[in-house]
Amino acid sequence: DQQVKQNSPSLSVQEGRISILNCDYTNSMFDYFLWYKKYPAEGPTFLISISSIKDKNEDGRFTVFLNKSAKHLSLHIVPSQPGDSAVYFCAASPYSSNTGKLIFGQGTTLQVKP
Amino acid sequence: EPEVTQTPSHQVTQMGQEVILRCVPISNHLYFYWYRQILGQKVEFLVSFYNNEISEKSEIFDDQFSVERPDGSNFTLKIRSTKLEDSAMYFCASNAQGRHEQYFGPGTRLTVT
Repeated sequence: DQQVKQNSPSLSVQEGRISILNCDYTNSMFDYFLWYKKYPAEGPTFLISISSIKDKNEDGRFTVFLNKSAKHLSLHIVPSQPGDSAVYFCAASPYSSNTGKLIFGQGTTLQVKP
Repeated sequence: EPEVTQTPSHQVTQMGQEVILRCVPISNHLYFYWYRQILGQKVEFLVSFYNNEISEKSEIFDDQFSVERPDGSNFTLKIRSTKLEDSAMYFCASNAQGRHEQYFGPGTRLTVT
């Protein structure tokens, strides 16, 4: 079951530059998309989300873009900081209500070099 | 800031034994979930719980699994007879009415030997 895919297992960027993490999905019924950050030995931490009726959502250094026709979303982090180094998960909710499960991608490990 | 808590942080058990993983969701949240992550794999949904009953469960959540909200604060996952393949990180999550974002606990590492 590969409904949510993160094809890049890892990404390395220099501090201060932009980090772009990508996510593809196959199910056109997904209604809501979320990004989580995870440090080792901790649970996923919610970062930012976007509804399927929007194409962009911004929160500080984090911006999520949604391209529904391409079934693709991306997370932009500008400027990247060493503390951003973590595993980033894309997740999708197949329901219009808020009671539904999240379907996760495999994760992308981001390393931000000082 | 309110957070989801889970106990224990690490549980080691022998195959065939019963385990109970405990979670305290954020106090005003109404929807509760269990997920697991086998080492090196993606986070997988197990079960969702609302209004004292299961609202959805995955194929993983077979008869060996059960969930309970025994009081107003705890949410538990029981595995009746553990198997080696149950070894994983188990995460509890919760979310509020009208919100999609789920808040996760730190996880319980279950090791079945």
